[in-house]
Amino acid sequence: DIQMTQSPSSLSASVGDRVTITCRASQSISNYLNWYQQKPGKAPKVLIYAASSLQSGVPSRFSGSGSGTDFTLTISSLQPEDFATYYCQQSYSTPQITFGQGTKLEIK
Amino acid sequence: QVQLVESGGGVVQPGRSLRLSCAASGFTFSSYGMHWVRQAPGKGLEWVAVIWYDGSNKDYADSVKGRFTISRDNSKNTLYLQMNSLRAEDTAVYYCARAHEPYCKNGVCLWFFDLWGRGTLVTVSS
Repeated sequence: DIQMTQSPSSLSASVGDRVTITCRASQSISNYLNWYQQKPGKAPKVLIYAASSLQSGVPSRFSGSGSGTDFTLTISSLQPEDFATYYCQQSYSTPQITFGQGTKLEIK
Repeated sequence: QVQLVESGGGVVQPGRSLRLSCAASGFTFSSYGMHWVRQAPGKGLEWVAVIWYDGSNKDYADSVKGRFTISRDNSKNTLYLQMNSLRAEDTAVYYCARAHEPYCKNGVCLWFFDLWGRGTLVTVSS
C-alpha cells in the first residue's frame, strides 16, 4: 500500500500569509496527487488535481507542485475562508486510493 | 441540479447490518465510477470502496473487505453500500463521491473526486 504523510499536522497562520503544506508518498506516484479542502461539517472539495492543475472555480491563490514522492500545496495569501483542513490523495495505485492524514490550518 | 444525496445511516448494534444509498441527479450517472469514503468522528478521510461505471469491477479497502459490498443500479441512478458484521470502528460519516478520470497513462488512471454528497452518519454501538 502507498502511504501518504502530510506535514505539518496543524498550522497557525494569519490572513495574508503565504502557507505551504507538504505531502510525501511512500513510493513514487508520478503526478497522481490531488488536494482537497474540508471545512467543519462539510464534504471535501477538490482544489488541485494531477499535482498542479487548478480545479475549475478554485481561486488562483491555491497552487500545487511536485512529482514523484514530494508534493506541496501553497496558498499565496491566506483569506479568512481558507481556514480549514487540507488533505492530499493519491490515485497511482488505483483502484486503491489513499489520503494523507490531513493538515488543519488555524487562525493565529 | 448536479448532486449526490446519501441516506440510510443510523445507530446499529455491533454485528448487525445496514445498507446505505446514494441518489445521483443532474448528470449521467452511468458514465462515472463511484466511491464511498468515510470519516470517523474527528478523524481523517478513509477510502472505502469503488465500483466501475458499469458495475463490472469493484474494490475495497482492506478494513472492510469481506464485510461490505458496493453496488449500483444505473436505471435508478443510485449507488449502494451494504455493510455487514458492523464494528465500533466502522462508526463514521459515509460520503459517496463521483470520480473524475481526466486521463490514463500506461494503464494507470488519475482519479479525483469532483462531486461529493453531504454524508450520512453511521454509529455502531450497543
